[in-house]
Amino acid sequence: RKEVEQDPGPFNVPEGATVAFNCTYSNSASQSFFWYRQDCRKEPKLLMSVYSSGNEDGRFTAQLNRASQYISLLIRDSKLSDSATYLCVVNNRGAAGNKLTFGGGTRVLVKP
Amino acid sequence: DVKVTQSSRYLVKRTGEKVFLECVQDMDHENMFWYRQDPGLGLRLIYFSYDVKMKEKGDIPEGYSVSREKKERFSLILESASTNQTSMYLCASSLPGQGIYGYTFGSGTRLTVV
Repeated sequence: RKEVEQDPGPFNVPEGATVAFNCTYSNSASQSFFWYRQDCRKEPKLLMSVYSSGNEDGRFTAQLNRASQYISLLIRDSKLSDSATYLCVVNNRGAAGNKLTFGGGTRVLVKP
Repeated sequence: DVKVTQSSRYLVKRTGEKVFLECVQDMDHENMFWYRQDPGLGLRLIYFSYDVKMKEKGDIPEGYSVSREKKERFSLILESASTNQTSMYLCASSLPGQGIYGYTFGSGTRLTVV
């Protein structure tokens, strides 16, 4: 089983609609979680952190479910510019410092 | 504006060649990382360095080595390039203790080994 798993998609989303997708992780001791956004042929950029209580940043909402070991990202009122690959990142702190494990990414295509 | 610069955007090399991928950051960051990204596999850590002349193996170090002679520069070396090393290579840097908050990625080098 992969350490961090994501549905690769693509999720085809009409403009203005809501889309949500999950990411599961295998290490129950994982300490912090993030969503990164990656545009085609570009580097990943931090979208938002994921907190236990859930957090919102504009149209984006991230949730963490430690009991079931998954995180989620919800995008409301999708814009064409939201089309990207969304990478789930899990951080485990070890003796050598933080170790980040990336999921394979979920591709989202927002269409007019 | 802070930057992580990778020397080449696209690179084509022949099997068996020795390949150098260069990464330079201008943020005085101690930590530097090399990842490769392949479809469906996400980013996988090859090597990282927490200080000058220091290096640690990541998850997939086989076939690679690194060099960190100066704080701002972290080089990835493919000793004898093979076709299975065709990939997108991403360099990142951060300050110690910042973890992912401080990660800045370079724009990547797409390497093709023929």
